[in-house]
Amino acid sequence: QQQVRQSPQSLTVWEGETAILNCSYENSAFDYFPWYQQFPGEGPALLISILSVSNKKEDGRFTIFFNKREKKLSLHIADSQPGDSATYFCAANTGGLSGKLTFGEGTQVTVIS
Amino acid sequence: EAAVTQSPRNKVAVTGGKVTLSCNQTNNHNNMYWYRQDTGHGLRLIHYSYGAGSTEKGDIPDGYKASRPSQENFSLILELATPSQTSVYFCASGDPGGAHAEQFFGPGTRLTVL
Repeated sequence: QQQVRQSPQSLTVWEGETAILNCSYENSAFDYFPWYQQFPGEGPALLISILSVSNKKEDGRFTIFFNKREKKLSLHIADSQPGDSATYFCAANTGGLSGKLTFGEGTQVTVIS
Repeated sequence: EAAVTQSPRNKVAVTGGKVTLSCNQTNNHNNMYWYRQDTGHGLRLIHYSYGAGSTEKGDIPDGYKASRPSQENFSLILELATPSQTSVYFCASGDPGGAHAEQFFGPGTRLTVL
């Protein structure tokens, strides 16, 4: 069973537009939600993260909006650039020494100019 | 210089053969992880480790073994490879005490089992 789900599977936006990537989860114990960015042929890399005590986290053009009651979060990429074309993974964990992450299926973003 | 490296980067194996994927990290992290990535599934955790000599089962451990002989090295072993294990495998390391710590990924190994 997929505990973290993402939508859409793929997304194409024009340069300068805002891309919105959605994520939902089932486990109420999840309290940390990182987003990882992956370019073709590379491993994922941390982009931005949020703790469940917050409802918003900004880092430059990237913003996470978090709704604990609905168990949903979204990643907004403002002023999208061709260099943002990548696959984005939403992940979650419950804390603890293992640091284990549960990943969603990913959203492939293509930015066209 | 890359902090997490994997070898080989590409591997073709035959069904029933033994495959060993290797990972080395220079981050001095206690925790290391092995994931596989498949379209439609994202990354799924196979095994992880808290340090040298430690291996723990992840979410999909069946058909895989792991070995952590040192702080720096973590191997994934497929004793009897099957075509269903064709995938891209990623190794990662994480900070000590890693409750909400970042994981640092290697470049991946593409494994094809014929």
